[in-house]
Amino acid sequence: DAKTTQPNSMESNEEEPVHLPCNHSTISGTDYIHWYRQLPSQGPEYVIHGLTSNVNNRMASLAIAEDRKSSTLILHRATLRDAAVYYCILREKGFFGNEKLTFGTGTRLTIIP
Amino acid sequence: DGGITQSPKYLFRKEGQNVTLSCEQNLNHDAMYWYRQDPGQGLRLIYYSQIVNDFQKGDIAEGYSVSREKKESFPLTVTSAQKNPTAFYLCASSMSVQPQHFGDGTRLSIL
Repeated sequence: DAKTTQPNSMESNEEEPVHLPCNHSTISGTDYIHWYRQLPSQGPEYVIHGLTSNVNNRMASLAIAEDRKSSTLILHRATLRDAAVYYCILREKGFFGNEKLTFGTGTRLTIIP
Repeated sequence: DGGITQSPKYLFRKEGQNVTLSCEQNLNHDAMYWYRQDPGQGLRLIYYSQIVNDFQKGDIAEGYSVSREKKESFPLTVTSAQKNPTAFYLCASSMSVQPQHFGDGTRLSIL
């Protein structure tokens, strides 16, 4: 299975941008890069995903390196509600097209007021 | 509102007892998944089902069983063969290549 490497923890000040890195040097050409986040005692929440091009949505931006061996999740203006564990995941496409996700231990993001 | 409902939120199991965790979705998703999460760890896939009446083992299926008789439901049974069942169990669903939607989990403990 393709794997990802993330820092165990990061801190950021409230209202400042946050850049969460992810390395995935063994990514294959058909693997999508997904980001989820998990608040304590809750299920993970989808944040964003991409294949080759940078992506933006209302929650975050995803910057993907040209060689696709790394990516960065960008929270443009962190709030206290963004404190969570962030998972960078490579989606392996299943036979029916349904995704199989392999979660690592993620990055625990702490927001400092 | 559409979503995934897991019940109960907390569950206690006695030694040698089987327990069943419920997962229901009204999102009309074809695929459903069960994950286990231990403290400070990521999620590990137990079983997944891509269509009704079909399911496949994930990475840690030993000691667990599932059924998929209806599209909306994917119950997980933790059997007495699972010697270390204490964990946070998460159910998810997805449609085709869309992102997975997760429930709020069931926390299982041993009495």
